[in-house]
Amino acid sequence: GAGVSQSPRYKVTKRGQDVALRCDPISGHVSLYWYRQALGQGPEFLTYFNYEAQQDKSGLPNDRFSAERPEGSISTLTIQRTEQRDSAMYRCASSSYGGWETQYFGPGTRLLVL
Amino acid sequence: KQEVTQIPAALSVPEGENLVLNCSFTDSAIYNLQWFRQDPGKGLTSLLLIQSSQREQTSGRLNASLDKSSGRSTLYIAASQPGDSATYLCAVSSGGSNYKLTFGKGTLLTVNP
Repeated sequence: GAGVSQSPRYKVTKRGQDVALRCDPISGHVSLYWYRQALGQGPEFLTYFNYEAQQDKSGLPNDRFSAERPEGSISTLTIQRTEQRDSAMYRCASSSYGGWETQYFGPGTRLLVL
Repeated sequence: KQEVTQIPAALSVPEGENLVLNCSFTDSAIYNLQWFRQDPGKGLTSLLLIQSSQREQTSGRLNASLDKSSGRSTLYIAASQPGDSATYLCAVSSGGSNYKLTFGKGTLLTVNP
């Protein structure tokens, strides 16, 4: 596609349920990033992939959060046993290769945990 | 730890005015700095990317400058239009990771017709 796409756009779930958020980067982009954005704040880094390799997961808040990119294209961010504090906008970005290039962001997934 | 501050938090101007948005960062050892625009319900749109070795970048009515030594950047918008109304975010990559962006909280700009 022309840009980064994310699905679902909105997700409402009950506390304790698992959720999976999908990111489809710009075709040919090697690098993929996940960020989380709370209301009134800028996005915060979660994790980074080059191809299928997760290069940095230092921003993942705890072990309930995981991400994968098995074929070096589509990525999934999974949150297990969701908690209300996980409610936020989850944003995905991609770049052609590495941090020297512009990061292009998708529309985000708004997650609400009840 | 890198911290990014944007001033002002909100700005309202009449159409046609030139304006400046400010961004400051605490760790001057950055790789690059990006300015983004955020519209409600949409993703972040990259406006300008300045590498650490550069002083400024221009795109249309936008001009961004970077003074790495003082930890500051400004985004200059000329002849503002109502369509420029959005939240503007500044982000830097630093700390040994050229890919990890640290964002400010943004400046909410309203351009009144």
